[in-house]
Amino acid sequence: AQSVTQLDSQVPVFEEAPVELRCNYSSSVSVYLFWYVQYPNQGLQLLLKYLSGSTLVESINGFEAEFNKSQTSFHLRKPSVHISDTAEYFCAVIRSGGSYIPTFGRGTSLIVHP
Amino acid sequence: DAGVTQSPTHLIKTRGQQVTLRCSPKSGHDTVSWYQQALGQGPQFIFQYYEEEERQRGNFPDRFSGHQFPNYSSELNVNALLLGDSALYLCASSLWHGLDTQYFGPGTRLTVL
Repeated sequence: AQSVTQLDSQVPVFEEAPVELRCNYSSSVSVYLFWYVQYPNQGLQLLLKYLSGSTLVESINGFEAEFNKSQTSFHLRKPSVHISDTAEYFCAVIRSGGSYIPTFGRGTSLIVHP
Repeated sequence: DAGVTQSPTHLIKTRGQQVTLRCSPKSGHDTVSWYQQALGQGPQFIFQYYEEEERQRGNFPDRFSGHQFPNYSSELNVNALLLGDSALYLCASSLWHGLDTQYFGPGTRLTVL
């Protein structure tokens, strides 16, 4: 079975500062990796995903994540955050050749201060 | 085009009661998955429906059951409610072919007193 660890439950940062949200996974087989964002009182929205190919994937709003197989990580980064990025961020993994049901981490609350 | 919708938004029940939550998938989607998100936790997979049948199930007791209708909408039923069933229940829709992106609804907040 696969599992996901999000090392930080809360990450406070000032506006326009860079941020990194950490995600590590464990799996005995190849995986597909995802980051979702959840704004207050809303459902989850897919931010970006890694299925294959380039290990660096980007979202339309400036976030990027890099798949590092040797370190079993998929950290999410943004060079300059905005107040509107304040939200809960979830990392998820799907095991290759399995049921295609994602396993989610516990989430990281990104709090952007002015 | 409406996305995934869920009803009701909030619900308060007492222990032992039964509850039904409803979900309408995004237009064109044929697969519905249900998740339980406890406070401070990530979503936990309950089950998935396709072609009106339960296709996959997570580690949840039989008190949790569901249904999918011919129009692809779905219901989640929980019997004999426990305090620990208090959570946000999320519905996600997708197409039935592997890694299609799941689109989530806003959820139903269930409080069991």
